[in-house]
Amino acid sequence: NAGVTQTPKFQVLKTGQSMTLQCAQDMNHNSMYWYRQDPGMGLRLIYYSASEGTTDKGEVPNGYNVSRLNKREFSLRLESAAPSQTSVYFCASSRTSGALYEQYFGPGTRLTVT
Amino acid sequence: DQQVKQNSPSLSVQEGRISILNCDYTNSMFDYFLWYKKYPAEGPTFLISISSIKDKNEDGRFTVFLNKSAKHLSLHIVPSQPGDSAVYFCAASRNSGYALNFGKGTSLLVTP
Repeated sequence: NAGVTQTPKFQVLKTGQSMTLQCAQDMNHNSMYWYRQDPGMGLRLIYYSASEGTTDKGEVPNGYNVSRLNKREFSLRLESAAPSQTSVYFCASSRTSGALYEQYFGPGTRLTVT
Repeated sequence: DQQVKQNSPSLSVQEGRISILNCDYTNSMFDYFLWYKKYPAEGPTFLISISSIKDKNEDGRFTVFLNKSAKHLSLHIVPSQPGDSAVYFCAASRNSGYALNFGKGTSLLVTP
């Protein structure tokens, strides 16, 4: 049982380049999330998808777009990367939305934008 | 503005002793609180949670205490083990909400 998987694990981009971070879960969860974690900071929610076909902005959505491709997959796209987007990105999923439902996290993608 | 605060960036405890990790919050609308544990190069994993209708929740060696009037919660680990060395994040939310508001984390080191 893989849980939540993320690709790639590491990525270096130049300013202005674009890329898509991939996330997939095999737990038949309805809700999926993208967070970023910066040094000395807690995790901050970028976007979430309460259920297949819906997406909503979180606390720090600027500079990102998301796609809920199907129930399993939720991707995060950086259209024009900026150094301020250097961070570790975590994808998470839960049975449904709401704090009562435990969120399961992937191992993270470490992104550096030069 | 940080709504969930973990004011101790790090804590060192001897094996077998009690570890106490603290967390304060500012939003009185929060009614559900969680602790997550994170090892290096891994994603956070859920540890324990508490609803605002309770003041204590226990799961094995882990106990979370909630003081609503002080807007304060704490995680007690007894006895502490070297494998507990990790970063611990406090998070808070409204039951009906979706967003988890995380603190900055406390790095716990349990020494043999």
